[in-house]
Amino acid sequence: GENVEQHPSTLSVQEGDSAVIKCTYSDSASNYFPWYKQELGKGPQLIIDIRSNVGEKKDQRIAVTLNKTAKHFSLHITETQPEDSAVYFCAVYNTGTASKLTFGTGTRLQVTL
Amino acid sequence: DAGVIQSPRHEVTEMGQEVTLRCKPISGHNSLFWYRQTMMRGLELLIYFNNNVPIDDSGMPEDRFSAKMPNASFSTLKIQPSEPRDSAVYFCASTWGVGSYEQYFGPGTRLTVT
Repeated sequence: GENVEQHPSTLSVQEGDSAVIKCTYSDSASNYFPWYKQELGKGPQLIIDIRSNVGEKKDQRIAVTLNKTAKHFSLHITETQPEDSAVYFCAVYNTGTASKLTFGTGTRLQVTL
Repeated sequence: DAGVIQSPRHEVTEMGQEVTLRCKPISGHNSLFWYRQTMMRGLELLIYFNNNVPIDDSGMPEDRFSAKMPNASFSTLKIQPSEPRDSAVYFCASTWGVGSYEQYFGPGTRLTVT
Protein backbone atom coordinates (compact mmCIF):
# COMPACT_ATOMS: atom_id res chain seq x y z
CA GLY A 1 0.00 0.00 0.00
CA GLU A 2 0.87 3.67 -0.09
CA ASN A 3 3.41 4.98 2.40
CA VAL A 4 3.55 8.69 3.21
CA GLU A 5 6.32 10.30 5.25
CA GLN A 6 6.03 13.85 6.55
CA HIS A 7 8.76 16.10 7.96
CA PRO A 8 9.36 17.82 10.26
CA SER A 9 7.07 16.62 13.04
CA THR A 10 7.31 20.00 14.77
CA LEU A 11 8.25 23.39 13.40
CA SER A 12 8.61 26.69 15.20
CA VAL A 13 8.97 29.93 13.25
CA GLN A 14 8.78 33.60 14.10
CA GLU A 15 5.86 35.63 12.87
CA GLY A 16 6.56 36.87 9.38
CA ASP A 17 8.98 34.08 8.50
CA SER A 18 8.25 31.28 6.03
CA ALA A 19 7.46 27.67 6.89
CA VAL A 20 8.02 24.62 4.71
CA ILE A 21 6.63 21.14 5.32
CA LYS A 22 7.65 18.21 3.13
CA CYS A 23 6.06 14.88 2.29
CA THR A 24 7.26 11.89 0.31
CA TYR A 25 5.16 9.03 -1.00
CA SER A 26 5.80 5.60 -2.45
CA ASP A 27 3.11 4.88 -5.08
CA SER A 28 4.07 6.56 -8.36
CA ALA A 29 0.45 6.21 -9.56
CA SER A 30 -0.80 8.61 -6.88
CA ASN A 31 -2.12 11.75 -8.51
CA TYR A 32 -3.96 13.88 -5.95
CA PHE A 33 -2.19 15.59 -3.05
CA PRO A 34 -4.22 17.62 -0.55
CA TRP A 35 -3.06 19.45 2.54
CA TYR A 36 -5.19 19.72 5.67
CA LYS A 37 -4.94 22.10 8.61
CA GLN A 38 -6.18 20.96 12.02
CA GLU A 39 -6.69 23.49 14.77
CA LEU A 40 -7.01 22.45 18.38
CA GLY A 41 -10.32 20.75 19.07
CA LYS A 42 -11.41 20.79 15.45
CA GLY A 43 -11.47 18.46 12.50
CA PRO A 44 -8.94 18.72 9.66
CA GLN A 45 -9.78 21.37 7.07
CA LEU A 46 -8.67 21.20 3.43
CA ILE A 47 -6.52 24.26 2.69
CA ILE A 48 -4.98 23.50 -0.69
CA ASP A 49 -4.54 20.60 -3.06
CA ILE A 50 -2.60 19.79 -6.20
CA ARG A 51 -3.04 17.25 -8.95
CA SER A 52 -0.28 15.47 -10.78
CA ASN A 53 -0.57 17.49 -13.98
CA VAL A 54 0.46 20.64 -12.11
CA GLY A 55 3.87 21.40 -10.59
CA GLU A 56 2.89 24.29 -8.35
CA LYS A 57 -0.25 25.90 -7.01
CA LYS A 58 -0.59 29.05 -4.98
CA ASP A 59 -3.39 30.56 -2.91
CA GLN A 60 -2.48 33.82 -1.24
CA ARG A 61 0.17 33.00 1.40
CA ILE A 62 0.15 29.25 0.90
CA ALA A 63 1.60 27.27 -1.98
CA VAL A 64 2.20 23.63 -2.78
CA THR A 65 4.88 22.24 -5.06
CA LEU A 66 4.97 18.74 -6.53
CA ASN A 67 7.89 16.77 -7.90
CA LYS A 68 6.42 13.58 -9.37
CA THR A 69 9.78 12.21 -10.45
CA ALA A 70 11.12 12.37 -6.93
CA LYS A 71 7.72 11.56 -5.42
CA HIS A 72 7.64 14.44 -3.01
CA PHE A 73 5.53 17.52 -2.46
CA SER A 74 5.79 20.46 -0.10
CA LEU A 75 3.61 23.05 1.60
CA HIS A 76 4.98 26.58 1.77
CA ILE A 77 3.50 29.23 4.04
CA THR A 78 4.88 32.75 3.67
CA GLU A 79 4.53 35.70 6.04
CA THR A 80 3.37 33.41 8.82
CA GLN A 81 0.87 34.69 11.36
CA PRO A 82 -0.10 33.38 14.82
CA GLU A 83 -3.35 32.00 13.38
CA ASP A 84 -1.28 29.69 11.17
CA SER A 85 -0.36 27.75 14.32
CA ALA A 86 -1.93 24.30 13.91
CA VAL A 87 -1.16 20.74 12.88
CA TYR A 88 -0.77 20.27 9.14
CA PHE A 89 -1.32 16.95 7.37
CA CYS A 90 -0.38 16.01 3.85
CA ALA A 91 -2.31 13.25 2.10
CA VAL A 92 -2.01 11.17 -1.02
CA TYR A 93 -4.66 9.62 -3.27
CA ASN A 94 -4.82 7.57 -6.46
CA THR A 95 -7.92 8.56 -8.43
CA GLY A 96 -7.50 5.61 -10.76
CA THR A 97 -7.98 3.00 -8.08
CA ALA A 98 -10.23 5.16 -5.90
CA SER A 99 -8.13 3.97 -3.01
CA LYS A 100 -8.32 5.55 0.40
CA LEU A 101 -6.72 8.86 1.23
CA THR A 102 -3.43 8.12 2.99
CA PHE A 103 -2.37 10.77 5.50
CA GLY A 104 1.05 11.80 6.68
CA THR A 105 1.83 11.84 10.39
CA GLY A 106 1.34 15.58 10.76
CA THR A 107 3.49 18.64 11.48
CA ARG A 108 2.80 20.83 14.48
CA LEU A 109 3.54 24.42 13.41
CA GLN A 110 4.03 27.04 16.09
CA VAL A 111 4.25 30.67 15.02
CA THR A 112 5.79 32.79 17.75
CA LEU A 113 5.51 36.54 18.17
CA ASP B 1 -24.12 25.28 5.05
CA ALA B 2 -23.92 23.71 8.52
CA GLY B 3 -21.02 21.46 7.62
CA VAL B 4 -20.64 17.92 8.86
CA ILE B 5 -22.37 17.47 12.22
CA GLN B 6 -21.22 14.94 14.79
CA SER B 7 -22.67 14.00 18.13
CA PRO B 8 -21.87 13.74 20.90
CA ARG B 9 -18.76 15.95 20.98
CA HIS B 10 -17.46 14.17 24.05
CA GLU B 11 -18.27 10.74 25.40
CA VAL B 12 -16.97 9.14 28.57
CA THR B 13 -17.98 5.57 29.21
CA GLU B 14 -16.90 2.54 31.18
CA MET B 15 -15.27 -0.47 29.64
CA GLY B 16 -17.82 -2.95 28.36
CA GLN B 17 -20.49 -0.37 27.57
CA GLU B 18 -21.94 0.21 24.13
CA VAL B 19 -21.03 3.48 22.45
CA THR B 20 -22.82 5.01 19.47
CA LEU B 21 -21.36 7.93 17.55
CA ARG B 22 -23.51 9.85 15.10
CA CYS B 23 -22.82 11.80 11.93
CA LYS B 24 -24.85 13.97 9.58
CA PRO B 25 -22.95 14.64 6.32
CA ILE B 26 -23.20 17.81 4.29
CA SER B 27 -26.41 17.88 2.27
CA GLY B 28 -25.80 16.67 -1.27
CA HIS B 29 -22.67 14.70 -0.41
CA ASN B 30 -22.92 11.01 -1.23
CA SER B 31 -19.67 9.66 0.23
CA LEU B 32 -19.09 9.38 3.96
CA PHE B 33 -15.97 8.39 5.85
CA TRP B 34 -15.31 7.44 9.47
CA TYR B 35 -11.79 8.07 10.80
CA ARG B 36 -10.09 7.49 14.12
CA GLN B 37 -7.28 9.75 15.33
CA THR B 38 -4.77 8.84 18.03
CA MET B 39 -1.31 10.11 18.89
CA MET B 40 0.20 6.72 18.17
CA ARG B 41 -1.49 5.89 14.87
CA GLY B 42 -2.49 9.26 13.47
CA LEU B 43 -5.55 9.45 11.23
CA GLU B 44 -6.90 6.03 10.26
CA LEU B 45 -9.77 5.39 7.87
CA LEU B 46 -12.19 2.96 9.46
CA ILE B 47 -14.93 2.67 6.84
CA TYR B 48 -16.17 4.46 3.74
CA PHE B 49 -19.72 4.61 2.33
CA ASN B 50 -20.85 5.67 -1.12
CA ASN B 51 -24.58 6.16 -1.73
CA ASN B 52 -25.24 4.62 1.70
CA VAL B 53 -23.41 1.40 0.78
CA PRO B 54 -20.22 0.38 2.60
CA ILE B 55 -17.40 0.32 0.03
CA ASP B 56 -14.32 -0.30 2.13
CA ASP B 57 -14.43 -1.47 5.74
CA SER B 58 -10.92 -2.90 5.84
CA GLY B 59 -9.95 -0.36 8.49
CA MET B 60 -12.52 -1.47 11.02
CA PRO B 61 -10.30 -2.86 13.75
CA GLU B 62 -12.47 -5.63 15.16
CA ASP B 63 -15.94 -7.10 15.14
CA ARG B 64 -16.70 -4.88 18.10
CA PHE B 65 -16.92 -2.01 15.62
CA SER B 66 -19.87 -1.64 13.27
CA ALA B 67 -21.14 1.21 11.10
CA LYS B 68 -24.41 1.87 9.33
CA MET B 69 -25.77 4.45 6.96
CA PRO B 70 -29.54 3.98 6.78
CA ASN B 71 -30.03 7.06 4.61
CA ALA B 72 -28.10 9.82 2.89
CA SER B 73 -28.24 12.15 5.87
CA PHE B 74 -27.26 9.92 8.79
CA SER B 75 -24.60 7.44 9.81
CA THR B 76 -23.65 5.73 13.05
CA LEU B 77 -20.47 4.11 14.31
CA LYS B 78 -21.05 1.66 17.15
CA ILE B 79 -18.56 0.05 19.48
CA GLN B 80 -19.82 -2.87 21.54
CA PRO B 81 -18.32 -3.68 23.97
CA SER B 82 -15.99 -0.70 24.34
CA GLU B 83 -12.43 -1.05 25.63
CA PRO B 84 -9.92 1.52 26.98
CA ARG B 85 -7.82 1.20 23.81
CA ASP B 86 -10.78 2.53 21.82
CA SER B 87 -10.19 5.94 23.41
CA ALA B 88 -9.55 8.36 20.54
CA VAL B 89 -11.11 11.16 18.55
CA TYR B 90 -13.49 9.85 15.91
CA PHE B 91 -14.10 11.98 12.84
CA CYS B 92 -16.74 11.77 10.18
CA ALA B 93 -16.06 13.32 6.77
CA SER B 94 -18.11 13.64 3.61
CA THR B 95 -17.67 14.51 -0.04
CA TRP B 96 -19.47 14.15 -3.36
CA GLY B 97 -18.79 11.51 -5.97
CA VAL B 98 -16.90 8.29 -5.60
CA GLY B 99 -13.53 8.55 -3.96
CA SER B 100 -11.71 10.75 -1.54
CA TYR B 101 -11.53 14.16 -3.18
CA GLU B 102 -12.00 17.24 -1.03
CA GLN B 103 -13.25 15.63 2.13
CA TYR B 104 -14.99 17.88 4.64
CA PHE B 105 -14.47 16.82 8.23
CA GLY B 106 -16.77 17.20 11.19
CA PRO B 107 -15.58 18.49 14.58
CA GLY B 108 -15.05 14.98 15.92
CA THR B 109 -16.19 13.00 18.95
CA ARG B 110 -13.66 12.58 21.73
CA LEU B 111 -14.24 9.15 23.23
CA THR B 112 -12.78 8.15 26.57
CA VAL B 113 -13.27 4.61 27.79
CA THR B 114 -12.31 4.07 31.43
